[in-house]
Amino acid sequence: TQLLEQSPQFLSIQEGENLTVYCNSSSVFSSLQWYRQEPGEGPVLLVTVVTGGEVKKLKRLTFQFGDARKDSSLHITAAQPGDTGLYLCAGHLNRDDKIIFGKGTRLHILP
Amino acid sequence: NAGVTQTPKFRILKIGQSMTLQCTQDMNHNYMYWYRQDPGMGLKLIYYSVGAGITDKGEVPNGYNVSRSTTEDFPLRLELAAPSQTSVYFCASSYETGWETQYFGPGTRLLVL
Repeated sequence: TQLLEQSPQFLSIQEGENLTVYCNSSSVFSSLQWYRQEPGEGPVLLVTVVTGGEVKKLKRLTFQFGDARKDSSLHITAAQPGDTGLYLCAGHLNRDDKIIFGKGTRLHILP
Repeated sequence: NAGVTQTPKFRILKIGQSMTLQCTQDMNHNYMYWYRQDPGMGLKLIYYSVGAGITDKGEVPNGYNVSRSTTEDFPLRLELAAPSQTSVYFCASSYETGWETQYFGPGTRLLVL
């Protein structure tokens, strides 16, 4: 059973378009993180959200944590080729628990 | 700071051979982790350590062993390599667990034939 479901699995869009990817669970998480992983490298943290309903912005990326802390979304405005990569969500069920990763969304931005 | 470093970058093993994947961090982090990443499967936790001398199993520990004799080093040992262990292995570290950022190494790509 996958605790964190990410959708879509793959997404290929044109430069300049907007997109949203999702991370869903039936479990409540104390915190949730988004990582980006580029080919041949390890994941790099983008953001951590901890409060239900929280919205964080990182330039053209907007992250939202669901009110019930069961889901999260990542919205990219005016996607650029540099946004290409694997986007992983990861969460902690409890404060001291090990992190659980979703399978990721592989994003490809066409120039 | 170099962050988290891993060696080797790539290795081919024959079935039944043994090897050690090295991981070192220079950030004085207490927590260290080993993950494997299979295509389309995300990251699975193999082992983790909360400090020198303390290790614990993760989600997929079978076929692996670890040790943590120093804060900096967290090697992963494969005793009898099997094709199912073909994967990309990532080491990570964090100061604490929970909300803390995990810093990942560049990975070791392992192929078992």
